[in-house]
Amino acid sequence: NAGVTQTPKFRILKIGQSMTLQCTQDMNHNYMYWYRQDPGMGLKLIYYSVGAGITDKGEVPNGYNVSRSTTEDFPLRLELAAPSQTSVYFCASPSSTSGVITDTQYFGPGTRLTVL
Amino acid sequence: DAKTTQPNSMESNEEEPVHLPCNHSTISGTDYIHWYRQLPSQGPEYVIHGLTSNVNNRMASLAIAEDRKSSTLILHRATLRDAAVYYCILINYGGSQGNLIFGKGTKLSVKP
Repeated sequence: NAGVTQTPKFRILKIGQSMTLQCTQDMNHNYMYWYRQDPGMGLKLIYYSVGAGITDKGEVPNGYNVSRSTTEDFPLRLELAAPSQTSVYFCASPSSTSGVITDTQYFGPGTRLTVL
Repeated sequence: DAKTTQPNSMESNEEEPVHLPCNHSTISGTDYIHWYRQLPSQGPEYVIHGLTSNVNNRMASLAIAEDRKSSTLILHRATLRDAAVYYCILINYGGSQGNLIFGKGTKLSVKP
């Protein structure tokens, strides 16, 4: 049981490039979240999903897209990278029962992204 | 979700107890009090949570004021590995999308 895994660990992009940050959980959880953390700040919610096929915007969704075709995977897509997207990205997932979250959130190790 | 207020930083000596305070004067009756910590260059990790009663686990204790407007995370014997940013977060599972709303937290430094 690996929990929440993220790839890659580090990435440098040029302005305008695109990339997909991968997040996978092996806990069969319905809820999954993408956060970003800028230096010295707390995490902010980008997008979230309450189950396969269902996604919704969080606090800072602009410049990102997500999909949830399976329970396990919740990739985050950056289409046109900008310097303002330089940040550390965390994926997280809590357990739930009948649509109610029942446990703590398990975080992945993060992806450190730099856009130059 | 209600807001929390924490000191920006605190210092402790190794092997001494640490009391990390959190004020949440606008807490609602169904808000749970959660504590997470983030070690350097890692993702946040769960520490403890509670609703009304004090809670203990292998990592820490959580003391909740009788009026629930404040709480204190207690590390009984700080180690160097406890140096981290500690976040106090309120969450109402029934009324939110379940995400955690992070403030800046308290940066705990532990001196040998």
